Amino acid sequence: DAGVIQSPRHEVTEMGQEVTLRCKPISGHNSLFWYRQTMMRGLELLIYFNNNVPIDDSGMPEDRFSAKMPNASFSTLKIQPSEPRDSAVYFCASSQLAVQETQYFGPGTRLLVL
Amino acid sequence: GENVEQHPSTLSVQEGDSAVIKCTYSDSASNYFPWYKQELGKRPQLIIDIRSNVGEKKDQRIAVTLNKTAKHFSLHITETQPEDSAVYFCAAPVIATNKLIFGTGTLLAVQP
Repeated sequence: DAGVIQSPRHEVTEMGQEVTLRCKPISGHNSLFWYRQTMMRGLELLIYFNNNVPIDDSGMPEDRFSAKMPNASFSTLKIQPSEPRDSAVYFCASSQLAVQETQYFGPGTRLLVL
Repeated sequence: GENVEQHPSTLSVQEGDSAVIKCTYSDSASNYFPWYKQELGKRPQLIIDIRSNVGEKKDQRIAVTLNKTAKHFSLHITETQPEDSAVYFCAAPVIATNKLIFGTGTLLAVQP
């Protein structure tokens, strides 16, 4: 298995631009998570899906952030418009259904908003 | 509330010494406690986990202990090596919200 796949691995954009991050979970995993990691705030859960349905988006910082999971093998996290304070590493993770199952992280997308 | 406290935030040890990282959780219903290791520029990866039906689990040089009464669990690394240098995260679930809450991380530096 290739593990969780994320793209792009690095993204540099200018303030105000739209950013789309992509994730392919491990085949057979029913839960998908989007995290943001910064030095100041650590590892924050933004949103998670069970069986393609968003369950908890309370971690999404603002309306500028949105996430979708149109099918079991693909999810996107979109920031529109982007701001410099959105600069961070964004991780996608997947697991079997249930919070007590191991989460497998993707390699992350390093986002820099100028 | 949903909270996992982790201490210390940084830890420096000499190669061969032991390292201990401690976490405290708030949800008494929590029943699964994983530890992740994140090397510089890499993704977090699970290194060991423990479920609430046992008090200790070992895997070679690493072990995790759980005290459900006190609501804390610890990671123990013995005979530390330079490649153990990384950030370590603990986590615990909040059962009511079905979310895994991560601690703030411990930067472990093993000095050769």
